[in-house]
Amino acid sequence: AQTVTQSQPEMSVQEAETVTLSCTYDTSESDYYLFWYKQPPSRQMILVIRQEAYKQQNATENRFSVNFQKAAKSFSLKISDSQLGDAAMYFCAYTIGAGNMLTFGGGTRLMVKP
Amino acid sequence: GAVVSQHPSRVICKSGTSVKIECRSLDFQATTMFWYRQFPKQSLMLMATSNEGSKATYEQGVEKDKFLINHASLTLSTLTVTSAHPEDSSFYICSASLVGLAGREQFFGPGTRLTVL
Repeated sequence: AQTVTQSQPEMSVQEAETVTLSCTYDTSESDYYLFWYKQPPSRQMILVIRQEAYKQQNATENRFSVNFQKAAKSFSLKISDSQLGDAAMYFCAYTIGAGNMLTFGGGTRLMVKP
Repeated sequence: GAVVSQHPSRVICKSGTSVKIECRSLDFQATTMFWYRQFPKQSLMLMATSNEGSKATYEQGVEKDKFLINHASLTLSTLTVTSAHPEDSSFYICSASLVGLAGREQFFGPGTRLTVL
């Protein structure tokens, strides 16, 4: 079965500090896409960052960056200069080939301390 | 960016009644829409994949006769919870996949909170 594992149910970070959320996945496919989604208290799912598996370069979006280790099947999210608005549930997910069905991890609740 | 709406945002119904939830892609055509269920403090669980003009594909354990999905156009999919019971109370989220986008990104609706009394 294809799975996504987020080993940290909760994480806490001080405002302006950096935090890394872990994600590992299991697939035998070679063509896939990885995502981090944010779900704030409003419950609206927001795409944070996307990584194509065929790209070796790690994706970055402003304060958000990933560490994509394909051989280890690891896809961690680093949030720099954490802000109060970053507090949310974060879900790691992937989709395979042309099917575009997302498989989600269990989520990590991020708390940001002022 | 692409916008997906859901209606209603909240619904309370009596046990035994049916509830319809609409999912619309407002500014793009979506060949595929997905329906998820999310229990409190849990992740999203895919219920079914809906393709325009064809029958939905349901995930294992999801009753297709209870959760009726219709994808009548490239911008509208509906989920009808038939004969709802309290255990169907949950947060339902739809998403839509953009036609031709190589990144295969899904755009999510704001969700519908269903409470069955």
